[in-house]
Amino acid sequence: ETGVTQTPRHLVMGMTNKKSLKCEQHLGHNAMYWYKQSAKKPLELMFVYSLEERVENNSVPSRFSPECPNSSHLFLHLHTLQPEDSALYLCASSQGSTGSGNTIYFGEGSWLTVV
Amino acid sequence: AQKITQTQPGMFVQEKEAVTLDCTYDTSDPSYGLFWYKQPSSGEMIFLIYQGSYDQQNATEGRYSLNFQKARKSANLVISASQLGDSAMYFCAMREGASGGSYIPTFGRGTSLIVHP
Repeated sequence: ETGVTQTPRHLVMGMTNKKSLKCEQHLGHNAMYWYKQSAKKPLELMFVYSLEERVENNSVPSRFSPECPNSSHLFLHLHTLQPEDSALYLCASSQGSTGSGNTIYFGEGSWLTVV
Repeated sequence: AQKITQTQPGMFVQEKEAVTLDCTYDTSDPSYGLFWYKQPSSGEMIFLIYQGSYDQQNATEGRYSLNFQKARKSANLVISASQLGDSAMYFCAMREGASGGSYIPTFGRGTSLIVHP
């Protein structure tokens, strides 16, 4: 059983919908991440939160809005998405956002389809 | 320039045999960590093994070992006694240390491993 839980596992949404992806980590970590994985593309980092403050935002479109209310929870709010946003969204956590030895642990991912 | 290179898009291995998945990396940071992850078709990215740049010994975790050749900047994953459940995508990743490098891990494009019965 993974220490990082993502819900929902599968989501189909229309381009005008508003939905949210939820991530919860049970590992006592203080850094959380959102990654996007599209078919035939490398894993893309979207957002990093350390101690509930955003420390990295890799030029992600504003239709993706992250929220980190505490060190255990991370949300990705979605609105007016495009079909090309269909992908696997992976949440991850680690003990600290710096340090080469801090392993990043991933959740099971949320498969998003935009129709 | 790519920081992590996985040159094998796909690999096939017979059940119970060993297989090596290649990974080369590029960094000028003396402190870095190398990671391997397994991603089955379900999507979850499963952490397998970690090697620190200052570690003298090659890392091992059960059937997984990391063949770390620092001078060649390679960190190949060796899976011994392959099992059908090992069929998955495998990703190599690097996280550079605090001495000017990015703390954000960089992932390779992955290698698809298929284990034949």
